[in-house]
Amino acid sequence: QSVLTQPPSVSGAPGQRVIISCTGTSSNLGAGYDVHWYQQLPGTAPKLLIFGNKNRPSGVPDRFSGFKSGTSASLAITGLQAEDEGDYHCQSYDSSLNVFFGGGTKLTVL
Amino acid sequence: QLQLQESGPGLVKPSETLSLTCTVSGGSISNSRYFWGWIRQPPGKGLEWIGHIFYSGSPHYNPSLKSRVTMSVDTSKNQFSLRLTSVTAADTAVYHCARSDMVRGRCLDIWGQGTGVTVSS
Repeated sequence: QSVLTQPPSVSGAPGQRVIISCTGTSSNLGAGYDVHWYQQLPGTAPKLLIFGNKNRPSGVPDRFSGFKSGTSASLAITGLQAEDEGDYHCQSYDSSLNVFFGGGTKLTVL
Repeated sequence: QLQLQESGPGLVKPSETLSLTCTVSGGSISNSRYFWGWIRQPPGKGLEWIGHIFYSGSPHYNPSLKSRVTMSVDTSKNQFSLRLTSVTAADTAVYHCARSDMVRGRCLDIWGQGTGVTVSS
C-alpha cells in the first residue's frame, strides 16, 4: 500500500480535461513537502512532468499543470491527446527525507 | 545532455546478491546540487524508492530495504552502484537509476532507461 494515494485509472476523450489526484498525510504533503509528477509512457522510463507542486520543466507543454493544497495534490491535463496515454506517478518525501511514490494512475485516452 | 545508464546481470539466484551500476555521461557526478538514486518497479506495479547517495558518500536508504542495501559512488569512473543482498522473487523488477535535484525540491529530473532483473533459480 502506497503512502500517497492515487486513483488506479482515469480516462477521457481526445480534447477533454482530466484530473489525477494524489492524497498524502500530515507527514508528507500536509507538512509542506513538495509533490512532483512523472509521466511514464508504455515501455519507457518515467519522465519528470511537474516539479515543486506546479512547475513545468522546459519542454513540457502547458497542457499539463499541477496544484497542491494541504494533504492533496492534483495533476490536470487539458486538450487530451492520444500520446498522453500512459501511467502517471506522484512523489513526495517526509521529514526524514524518505522518498515516496503514489501507486500510479493509468490514463486511457478513449 | 546528461544521461544515465544502468548495467548488471539480468538474472540473479534467490538468496544471492544483486549488483547494479549506473554510469553517468555528459556531466560530472561530483556536483553538490544532486543526489544519485535507485528506484525499482516490479512488473505491473508502481515505483519504489530504494535509496540515494551524494557524490561524497552519505547514503540514505528506504527503511524497508535498509538492512539489505548498500550504495556507493566511484567519482573516478563517474558511476554509482547498488548492492541488494539476500534477494527473493519479490525483488524482481525493473531497476532505474535517477538524479535528484536538491534545488528543485529533490525531484528526480533525469532517469536511466532501466534494467530488468529477475530473481529465479
